[in-house]
Amino acid sequence: AQSVAQPEDQVNVAEGNPLTVKCTYSVSGNPYLFWYVQYPNRGLQFLLKYITGDNLVKGSYGFEAEFNKSQTSFHLKKPSALVSDSALYFCAVRDPYYGQNFVFGPGTRLSVLP
Amino acid sequence: NAGVTQTPKFRVLKTGQSMTLLCAQDMNHEYMYWYRQDPGMGLRLIHYSVGEGTTAKGEVPDGYNVSRLKKQNFLLGLESAAPSQTSVYFCASSVSAMADTQYFGPGTRLTVL
Repeated sequence: AQSVAQPEDQVNVAEGNPLTVKCTYSVSGNPYLFWYVQYPNRGLQFLLKYITGDNLVKGSYGFEAEFNKSQTSFHLKKPSALVSDSALYFCAVRDPYYGQNFVFGPGTRLSVLP
Repeated sequence: NAGVTQTPKFRVLKTGQSMTLLCAQDMNHEYMYWYRQDPGMGLRLIHYSVGEGTTAKGEVPDGYNVSRLKKQNFLLGLESAAPSQTSVYFCASSVSAMADTQYFGPGTRLTVL
């Protein structure tokens, strides 16, 4: 079965510093991997995805993520954090062997401190 | 372009009452989904639809029913609400299948007393 883990409930980082939000996954086949962000009282917004090809994926708002097959990870990164990046971040995976189920991680709350 | 809209935004029910949540999308997407979001659990798929007139069960379908009579609308029904169904419900849509980005509505906060 497919699963997603986000080992940190909360990540705190100072404005201007690099940030990393971790994600690991477990699937049977080749995964489709996604990152979404949720601001307070809002729906989820798409940030980026990995389907195939280059392991480094660039997305919205300066975020990027690196697919690492050997470590089954897909960590979200940004070189310089902004206070406005403070939000709840979700990693999600789709396994082509398991149909339409789109499995989300539990979320990581990012706080960027001024 | 409204994207994905959900009605209502908030609702309080008593145990045993019924209600329907409406999701509408104006992007001509084939696929639509209903999720529930609970603290510390991420989003869990309730039901989904791969096209007008079709529905299928997701991870947590019990206690819910859905209908997709029109391509742009996806309805989620609770026949007899239970406190365990207190949650935030999100609708999403996508162009087609596996690799596609999902677009989410703003959510409906449901409380069952």
